[in-house]
Amino acid sequence: GNSVTQMEGPVTLSEEAFLTINCTYTATGYPSLFWYVQYPGEGLQLLLKATKADDKGSNKGFEATYRKETTSFHLEKGSVQVSDSAVYFCALSERNYGQNFVFGPGTRLSVLP
Amino acid sequence: DVKVTQSSRYLVKRTGEKVFLECVQDMDHENMFWYRQDPGLGLRLIYFSYDVKMKEKGDIPEGYSVSREKKERFSLILESASTNQTSMYLCASSLPGPSNTEAFFGQGTRLTVV
Repeated sequence: GNSVTQMEGPVTLSEEAFLTINCTYTATGYPSLFWYVQYPGEGLQLLLKATKADDKGSNKGFEATYRKETTSFHLEKGSVQVSDSAVYFCALSERNYGQNFVFGPGTRLSVLP
Repeated sequence: DVKVTQSSRYLVKRTGEKVFLECVQDMDHENMFWYRQDPGLGLRLIYFSYDVKMKEKGDIPEGYSVSREKKERFSLILESASTNQTSMYLCASSLPGPSNTEAFFGQGTRLTVV
């Protein structure tokens, strides 16, 4: 079945550091890929998405590129802020099967001033 | 903006009680989902529904049931609550395929069963 693997956290960075959170997936077809963010005490919010190979999703300084050859969708940000502290989830939804989403376990990010 | 609203942010229930978690969305989405979120396990799908009165089991349906009598409302029912159902419960909705449509989440209900 489909699955998503993320790097284990927690990740602790200083403000203005470079962030990478690795995500790889296994899917039988051609999935769409998503990054969601969850701030403390809240539900998940869509951060960015990509729907086909080589697409780059971007939002709020975060970027991720859909790499079909390596089945990866790594999240990056050039300079993190304290306000980026949250849990980040990588997810996929397979084409023609949009009723379901598969989530990774989440990576907790803490950014220190 | 899509809004998904869960009826409670926090609930405390006793073992053996019947518990109802309610979720309402205001964007006429066909698909609705219930997940539970536990540390180290991420989000696990309990049930989803792709139409009124339709439901499909997810990965962990045991001990739960659902009801979808109206398109905008999807209820999760714990028939007889147990302590191992203490968790964060997240409701979500989405349009049907193609799969590039994202899921929209409610704020979550943190349920404690004592």
